[in-house]
This record gives sequence, structure tokens and C-alpha cells, in this order.
Amino acid sequence: DAKTTQPNSMESNEEEPVHLPCNHSTISGTDYIHWYRQLPSQGPEYVIHGLTSNVNNRMASLAIAEDRKSSTLILHRATLRDAAVYYCILRDSRASGSRLTFGEGTQLTVNP
Amino acid sequence: NAGVTQTPKFRILKIGQSMTLQCAQDMNHNYMYWYRQDPGMGLKLIYYSVGAGITDKGEVPNGYNVSRSTTEDFPLRLELAAPSQTSVYFCASSLIRFGAFFGQGTRLTVV
Repeated sequence: DAKTTQPNSMESNEEEPVHLPCNHSTISGTDYIHWYRQLPSQGPEYVIHGLTSNVNNRMASLAIAEDRKSSTLILHRATLRDAAVYYCILRDSRASGSRLTFGEGTQLTVNP
Repeated sequence: NAGVTQTPKFRILKIGQSMTLQCAQDMNHNYMYWYRQDPGMGLKLIYYSVGAGITDKGEVPNGYNVSRSTTEDFPLRLELAAPSQTSVYFCASSLIRFGAFFGQGTRLTVV
């Protein structure tokens, strides 16, 4: 499985934007970039995913570098409820490689 | 919408006992996954399935077995429970190019 690298922790202030980075220098052409988050004492929650183009949804935006070796999850206005562990995962779009493997993620702290 | 349903939510097992953790999804997803999460740690993939009748090992399969006889159900079997299997277990399902949905977890303690 191609590996991702994320900072262990990040801090933000409430109502400010947050940019969570992820490096994936060994990404293959069939890998989608997925982001999940896990709030305390809950199961992981899907946030967003993309292949090559930037993506937006109601929760966040995903900016993908042109060479696809890195990506950034953008929370436009952080709230206290966004405090969670954020996981960046590569998922092979071929049926034979559809493992969904989590790393250690980034612990996001949001200060009031 | 039920989504991914895991039962039971909590269970205490004695060393050497066996049990089956149930996972069911009603979204007609072909991919299903089992994870364990130890306190303060990330999720580790135990087994996964790409469709009925097809399963494969993940990162930490030892001590567990799975079966996938239907699209909806993906039970995880623990044989001869050990204290090292004390963990929170999560089941997830997805379609191939879309995000995965997770259940609320089963908190298992082996004493």
C-alpha cells in the first residue's frame, strides 16, 4: 500500500481556516486520496475524496497538488466540533487493491 | 436509514471464550472491512471483503476469522479470546470509488 505522511498534531483557533497537509510521494495513478476524521469516542467519518482535481463539499475542500504527491484538507472555518483526528488515506480504485488502511493521522485541536 | 449496524455494542469475554461480532449494512455496498482500535492508537485492518464469498487478510488477522455469505453481512469471529484482543472493533462498508461508512463500534474486554 502506498504510504501517507501527516503531522502528528496541529492547532487552530475557532472560526479560522485550517489547512491539514498530507504527503504521498509514492501515489500511483489508480489511487484516490481519501480523508476521514474521528471524533472522540466515535467511529471514523468520511470527509472527502478526490483523484486529480480539487474537490469541495459541505464539510471541507480538498486541494491536490498537480503532481499528486501531496494534498491539503481545508476546513474553511474551524469550530470546536471539528476537533478530531484526521486521516489521509490512499485507496486503490482497482477491485484487487481496495484495502482501506489507516495511518496515525493528525490530531487537530481547536482553541476557543 | 440504518447504514452500518454493529452488534453488540459492549461485551466482556473470559479468556478462551469465543464470540462473533455482527456487522450488517443496508446500502448494497460490495466492500466491507473490519478494524480494531486499541486505546490511543490508530485503526488496524483485520480483514476485508470485496464481495460475497471473497475475503482477504488485512494487517492484523491472527486470532480472527470472517465469512461473507451475503452482501449485507460480514461477521467477525474470535476464537479462544485473549487479553490482547481487548479493543474497540469497527466495521465499515463502501462502494469502490466512494467513501466508507463506519459503524458505531463494539467495545470488547477480555478478562
